[in-house]
Amino acid sequence: QSVLTQPPSVSAAPGQKVTISCSGSSSNIGNNYVSWYQQFPGTAPKLLIYENNKRPSGIPDRFSGSKSGTSATLGITGLQTGDEADYYCGTWDRSLSAGPWVFGGGTKLTVL
Amino acid sequence: EVQLVESGGGLVQPGGSLRLSCVASGFTFSNYWMSWVRQAPGKGLEWVANIKQDGSEKNYVDSVKGRFTISRDNAKNSLYLQMNSLRAEDTAVYYCARDRLVRGLFGVVNTRWFDAWGPGTLVTGSS
Repeated sequence: QSVLTQPPSVSAAPGQKVTISCSGSSSNIGNNYVSWYQQFPGTAPKLLIYENNKRPSGIPDRFSGSKSGTSATLGITGLQTGDEADYYCGTWDRSLSAGPWVFGGGTKLTVL
Repeated sequence: EVQLVESGGGLVQPGGSLRLSCVASGFTFSNYWMSWVRQAPGKGLEWVANIKQDGSEKNYVDSVKGRFTISRDNAKNSLYLQMNSLRAEDTAVYYCARDRLVRGLFGVVNTRWFDAWGPGTLVTGSS
């Protein structure tokens, strides 16, 4: 069981919008920034969003992030077949420790 | 270009040991925290350990405490993970990741994310 809860799968048609939720608690999401990662099969994860809603250089603005209370959301607009991947949210647990980092269980995105 | 390349994975019997290495290039390695993250076959990501820039602070997930040791050699731009007393459940792809941890007043973690990942190295614990 992951500390952060994500839906196992989501799907939408090309060109549509999809959102992926990530639910946590006050010890993690509620008081810390959330980041999101994209992973294609057999490859390493890639940073998509950091500090809740910031995009690294090179990430298209079709990808967005938001946070409210103890939940965070990744949004993807203008879906493309190339967006089919696993998506993970993550944050650290307990502000005074540089250790514990928690990931969500991951969400498989299918573009129908 | 930031690059991380892991090595050292392989097949090891339960109870055995293995040392993973990660060589960094394209950035000033000694300026960053570094982490190991693993992914069991068909499963999600799990953070394993991290180490401060100068090696003075190390943190581990509970399941590997006392068995794994993270270390670094800034002169060689290298990160290591010594894995002892390996178990079947340690079977995973192990990724080296640059940990963008920033602390503020009183040691509170202000922000953190992982912005660079290596391709990973597979560790298989099997008899």
